[in-house]
Amino acid sequence: EVQLVESGGGVVQPGGSLRLSCAASGFTFSDYWMSWVRQAPGKGLEWVANLKQDLSEKYYLDSVKGRFTISRDNAKKSLYLQMNSLRAEDTAVYYCARGLDYSNYFDSWGQGTQVTVSS
Amino acid sequence: QSVLTQPPSVSGTPGQRVTISCSGSKSNIGSNIVNWYQQLPGAAPKLLIFINNQRPSGVPDRFSGSKSGTSASLAISGLQSEDEADYYCAAWDDRLKVGLFGGGTKLTVL
Repeated sequence: EVQLVESGGGVVQPGGSLRLSCAASGFTFSDYWMSWVRQAPGKGLEWVANLKQDLSEKYYLDSVKGRFTISRDNAKKSLYLQMNSLRAEDTAVYYCARGLDYSNYFDSWGQGTQVTVSS
Repeated sequence: QSVLTQPPSVSGTPGQRVTISCSGSKSNIGSNIVNWYQQLPGAAPKLLIFINNQRPSGVPDRFSGSKSGTSASLAISGLQSEDEADYYCAAWDDRLKVGLFGGGTKLTVL
């Protein structure tokens, strides 16, 4: 069974940092693109970033470029999102999602981890 | 305001057929596949339709997708109370080099 488990969320002050992790199991992690998608309270889904299997391609939402870094460790079957210079508008549930390619084609999702940016 | 435009809400009675539209442009829907996600209250999103009109195993054939030019649509026939959820279209944008979601459509079963 495919499982994606996010961790690392929490409450952080504006300007602070957090590192999210996503532990994968039940499939060959190194065969898939991986992505982060977020959902602000009461709002819709927003794609954040994605990363190719071999780390050769990565893409970011404009509003997080230069502040967030997506990475992965295929040996550890883990996906990460380093978030720096956090803003109130980054407050959201962050989902890890498995992708079949670079597009928004996600066949498995984690349960999400809450990130709250507040003073 | 989302690049992919969906109606904020649709409603129908049990047994009815409803459709949800998703309007984009040449650089996203016009050039790439469209996928649809269902998000039940309090749950993570779930893939409902992929590559414009394909259903993952386990998704009832009451759900169908289509795409024409720069628009796509999701149809739900034989509406059931458990279909009450938020529905999102999604596509890649070749010009912006970003993933896009529609703003979401809340389906209410009356």
